[in-house]
Amino acid sequence: GQQVMQIPQYQHVQEGEDFTTYCNSSTTLSNIQWYKQRPGGHPVFLIQLVKSGEVKKQKRLTFQFGEAKKNSSLHITATQTTDVGTYFCAGRADSWGKLQFGAGTQVVVTP
Amino acid sequence: DVKVTQSSRYLVKRTGEKVFLECVQDMDHENMFWYRQDPGLGLRLIYFSYDVKMKEKGDIPEGYSVSREKKERFSLILESASTNQTSMYLCASSTGVLQQYFGPGTRLTVT
Repeated sequence: GQQVMQIPQYQHVQEGEDFTTYCNSSTTLSNIQWYKQRPGGHPVFLIQLVKSGEVKKQKRLTFQFGEAKKNSSLHITATQTTDVGTYFCAGRADSWGKLQFGAGTQVVVTP
Repeated sequence: DVKVTQSSRYLVKRTGEKVFLECVQDMDHENMFWYRQDPGLGLRLIYFSYDVKMKEKGDIPEGYSVSREKKERFSLILESASTNQTSMYLCASSTGVLQQYFGPGTRLTVT
């Protein structure tokens, strides 16, 4: 069955540094979503990518969908303490299929 | 704002008890989902529903059942709770294939 893997599982970042988290699927995806879960909170939707090679930006966050639509990345520049949390990617194998969540990347930011 | 509410934030039950987790959404979404979240495993789909009285098994349905008698309400039932069902349970709703809105979660402990 479809599997979505995220690396790294944990990321310690110094405030002000950049980092990237990666999402890889065993199958081609129709679309991919990214969510953020703050400590003690629930997942909150960030963005959806649909097209091959698509790049979307939200302030300091840059999301990419691979050309083969089997991988995606989230890059955060100039990390801030507000970026703390767990970032999940979730892929859908076909247009109306269920979302398959990755295990998440837990981000810790040190001042 | 979309609101997804869950009946309890914390719940402690004994092994063998029948457990009901309730979820209500106020945005007339046709899709509703139940996930469990465990460290290192991300969000795993238990059951979902695309319409009233309809239900579909997710990736880990064993030991669970669901009920959707009204569009806004989706219940998760643990027929006979076991210690390996101790987890965080998250409900979500969506329309079409758009973003999922999550509830605050119920942390269930089975002793």
